[in-house]
Amino acid sequence: SQQGEEDPQALSIQEGENATMNCSYKTSINNLQWYRQNSGRGLVHLILIRSNEREKHSGRLRVTLDTSKKSSSLLITASRAADTASYFCATNYNQGGKLIFGQGTELSVKP
Amino acid sequence: ETGVTQTPRHLVMGMTNKKSLKCEQHLGHNAMYWYKQSAKKPLELMFVYSLEERVENNSVPSRFSPECPNSSHLFLHLHTLQPEDSALYLCASSQEPGNTEAFFGQGTRLTVV
Repeated sequence: SQQGEEDPQALSIQEGENATMNCSYKTSINNLQWYRQNSGRGLVHLILIRSNEREKHSGRLRVTLDTSKKSSSLLITASRAADTASYFCATNYNQGGKLIFGQGTELSVKP
Repeated sequence: ETGVTQTPRHLVMGMTNKKSLKCEQHLGHNAMYWYKQSAKKPLELMFVYSLEERVENNSVPSRFSPECPNSSHLFLHLHTLQPEDSALYLCASSQEPGNTEAFFGQGTRLTVV
């Protein structure tokens, strides 16, 4: 399976703390993307990082990519209760238009 | 509001019914996708269309039939579904297939009874 795997599956933290989620994948990629999903709703794109990039930032979000380890991490700094959601990584492999999602991490930020 | 609109938002259908899900985007994107999201399972890619041509078909049963009449519209025709097909069906679009960020609709919550 080309599907990425994420850990942890669930993460519970206090407001103000940082949250780190990891994603591993199996074959070479064109890019890796992170998405957020609030319960039962559509996904919202957060960051896209290409295979020749190592780090990207967007506001309180920081994404790293290590192609030698076939892994990526998403760091949310100074978390807020509103960050409570499921976070998914998705990989685009070197063939076709497939965007394959991992199982996601459920993040709960307690006020 | 992502610019991708799905209708209906909720659908209950019997196993012998025929229904269609609709997705519309006016973002000028060239690629559109159908995903299935079941409880406790990752999103499953069903179909990818690029410039109205199907480029990916992920071994989806024939009771799901996609249609892309133009680059702004995507349909998923459903017939003789099974209860295990109950799920959230998500449509997405992107400028290019897989290589750019995808914009998702809010999904259609389908229940097969």
